[in-house]
Amino acid sequence: QKEVEQNSGPLSVPEGAIASLNCTYSDRVSQSFFWYRQYSGKSPELIMSIYSNGDKEDGRFTAQLNKASQYVSLLIRDSQPSDSATYLCAVKKNYGQNFVFGPGTRLSVLP
Amino acid sequence: DVKVTQSSRYLVKRTGEKVFLECVQDMDHENMFWYRQDPGLGLRLIYFSYDVKMKEKGDIPEGYSVSREKKERFSLILESASTNQTSMYLCASSLGGVENEQFFGPGTRLTVL
Repeated sequence: QKEVEQNSGPLSVPEGAIASLNCTYSDRVSQSFFWYRQYSGKSPELIMSIYSNGDKEDGRFTAQLNKASQYVSLLIRDSQPSDSATYLCAVKKNYGQNFVFGPGTRLSVLP
Repeated sequence: DVKVTQSSRYLVKRTGEKVFLECVQDMDHENMFWYRQDPGLGLRLIYFSYDVKMKEKGDIPEGYSVSREKKERFSLILESASTNQTSMYLCASSLGGVENEQFFGPGTRLTVL
């Protein structure tokens, strides 16, 4: 089992819909969770971080964390074609400085 | 604004050459990382450093070495480049602590012929 897994893509949604991206992790000592967006040919950029159970909202983005289920998700409301990218889930443990990245989910928002 | 810069966006080298990839960050971050990213394999950690002159192996250190002589600079060295090291190389940095994210440089696309 990989340490961080994401739902396999590609995921296609129509413009204006809600895109739901999921991530599960195996190590219970994981403490911090990050969502990065990566456009083709570019480097990853941070969208959201979340550390506590529950929801965290930032504009059209909502991150949800459930530590008991070892699950973190990213919802994108009112999806736009400019949201088309690969989304990477990253997990950081409460020891060490290392991040573990998931394989990414490719999202396509269709006009 | 955190800035992580990498010495080259594109690099073409020949098999057997020694290759240096440089990364500089301007926000006094303790931690610096080198990844490679390949289609279908995701981001894989090569080496990271949590302090000057300190280094730790990541998941795929074979064929690579690193150097961190100054806090702001982290170099990745391919002692003898091989074609299977053709890849996108990404440098990142972060502050210490659990809640601090990584900031990535623009990447270097290395082709080894």
